[in-house]
Amino acid sequence: GDSVTQMEGPVTLSEEAFLTINCTYTATGYPSLFWYVQYPGEGLQLLLKATKADDKGSNKGFEATYRKETTSFHLEKGSVQVSDSAVYFCALSEAPNTNAGKSTFGDGTTLTVKP
Amino acid sequence: DGGITQSPKYLFRKEGQNVTLSCEQNLNHDAMYWYRQDPGQGLRLIYYSQIVNDFQKGDIAEGYSVSREKKESFPLTVTSAQKNPTAFYLCASSSGRGPSPLHFGNGTRLTVT
Repeated sequence: GDSVTQMEGPVTLSEEAFLTINCTYTATGYPSLFWYVQYPGEGLQLLLKATKADDKGSNKGFEATYRKETTSFHLEKGSVQVSDSAVYFCALSEAPNTNAGKSTFGDGTTLTVKP
Repeated sequence: DGGITQSPKYLFRKEGQNVTLSCEQNLNHDAMYWYRQDPGQGLRLIYYSQIVNDFQKGDIAEGYSVSREKKESFPLTVTSAQKNPTAFYLCASSSGRGPSPLHFGNGTRLTVT
């Protein structure tokens, strides 16, 4: 079955540091890949997505590139802010005719950014 | 604004009681999902529905039940058979067309004592 493996946390950085959160996946078909962010006490929000190999998703300074050859979708940001402190989830979703379109999530990585 | 509304935000129940969590969406999405989140863990799928009047068990359906009588609504009942019901419950929806992202509600934190 499908699976997503994320870098274990927690991750603590100083403001303006470079961020990388690793994500690798296994899938039976050709999934779309997503990063979601969860702030304390809230649901998850879509951060960025990529639908095919070599696509780069980007939003709010975050980027991730769909690498089929390494089955990876690592999240990066050049300069983090305190407001980026949250839990980040990597996920994949296949077409509705494969696995009923369900999403598979990693365990989440907690990021804390200190001033 | 379109979105998903979960209510209530906090819910307290005594052991042995059934409790129903509400989830309503106005995104005109076909597919809806219930996830459970425990501290420090990822999301685990409880039930999902791809169309009205049809739903399927997810990975941890035991002790839970759902209904999908309307496109907009997908309530989850946590029954007394669920051994560890205290958790954060998240409802989500997607268009169901192609591999599409999920839209989440803000969750219900259920505490059973």
